[in-house]
Amino acid sequence: AQRVTQPEKLLSVFKGAPVELKCNYSYSGSPELFWYVQYSRQRLQLLLRHISRESIKGFTADLNKGETSFHLKKPFAQEEDSAMYYCALPNYGGATNKLIFGTGTLLAVQP
Amino acid sequence: EADIYQTPRYLVIGTGKKITLECSQTMGHDKMYWYQQDPGMELHLIHYSYGVNSTEKGDLSSESTVSRIRTEHFPLTLESARPSHTSQYLCASRRLTGELFFGEGSRLTVL
Repeated sequence: AQRVTQPEKLLSVFKGAPVELKCNYSYSGSPELFWYVQYSRQRLQLLLRHISRESIKGFTADLNKGETSFHLKKPFAQEEDSAMYYCALPNYGGATNKLIFGTGTLLAVQP
Repeated sequence: EADIYQTPRYLVIGTGKKITLECSQTMGHDKMYWYQQDPGMELHLIHYSYGVNSTEKGDLSSESTVSRIRTEHFPLTLESARPSHTSQYLCASRRLTGELFFGEGSRLTVL
């Protein structure tokens, strides 16, 4: 079964510091991967998806098939980046319309 | 405005009560989902639907039931609520591009 692993429950950095939120997945093919973000008191929303290769709010994520990773990066963290971040992968083994989410990483950006 | 609406946003009830969490979307999406977000902030799929009269159980066993009589409406029902049902319930629909669009959630507390 596919899995998404986010090893860090909490990541605390200072404003202006680089950020890397780790995501590893288990799937042998070419996956479609997503990063979702949930700001305090807001709904869970899509941040970016690997296929679009966009930079959203300064965040980027590169798919590394060799390491089966899709880490989320930002060179200079801002206080408004503080939120819960989830990595997600479609369930290719079963119903492909489902998304499997990681356990999430809480990013806390200190002033 | 195209959106996905969940009501109630917050609900506090006593054990044994029947509750229905409403979810409606105005985007015409066929595929809809219910996720349970536990206190550790993990997301678990509990129900999904591919269209009218289609409902399936998700990965996490749940005593709740769902129905899909209309495309836009995907309510979740608990016949007899218990304290173990205390959680946040997130409804989502799937865009044609593959990502999920989430509602603001219903936070249920069972005393």
